Amino acid sequence: GNSVTQMEGPVTLSEEAFLTINCTYTATGYPSLFWYVQYPGEGLQLLLKATKADDKGSNKGFEATYRKETTSFHLEKGSVQVSDSAVYFCALSVPAGGTSYGKLTFGQGTILTVHP
Amino acid sequence: DSGVTQTPKHLITATGQRVTLRCSPRSGDLSVYWYQQSLDQGLQFLIQYYNGEERAKGNILERFSAQQFPDLHSELNLSSLELGDSALYFCASSADSSTDTQYFGPGTRLTVL
Repeated sequence: GNSVTQMEGPVTLSEEAFLTINCTYTATGYPSLFWYVQYPGEGLQLLLKATKADDKGSNKGFEATYRKETTSFHLEKGSVQVSDSAVYFCALSVPAGGTSYGKLTFGQGTILTVHP
Repeated sequence: DSGVTQTPKHLITATGQRVTLRCSPRSGDLSVYWYQQSLDQGLQFLIQYYNGEERAKGNILERFSAQQFPDLHSELNLSSLELGDSALYFCASSADSSTDTQYFGPGTRLTVL
């Protein structure tokens, strides 16, 4: 079956530090890959996505590159801010048949706390 | 704001009761997904509807059911509630079955006492 594994957290950083959250996946077929972010008390927001090998998704200073050879989609940011404190979820979606897409399969989430 | 709305925001009820959670997808989106977020299970897919028809089922209990109406809003019905059903329930929508990106609502927090 399909699965996503994220690095264990929580992750605590100082403002302006470099961030990496590791994500690896197992999938049948050719998945689309996503990072979602959940701020305290809120729902999930799409942060970025990539749909094919070597694609780089980017948004708000965050980046992740779809690496098919290592089945990875690690999230990075060069300089984190206090406002980036949230829970980050890696996820995948595999075509269910033809071009039809189905459910998202999520990793367990990584809690990021950024201190001033 | 994703454009997906869910009501109510919070729901507190007792064991054995039945509740209905409501979701309105983004304007024009045909596909609706329901997910459960709990501390022990993480985010789990429950069920998907596309243009009024059930498309896929995940780890959804028999006590739970859902439907999508002609105006494309969806309801998730949870019955014979147990303490372990306490969780955040999210609805997500996507444009159609060939679109991989899902947009999430703010969630309904269910507490079963």
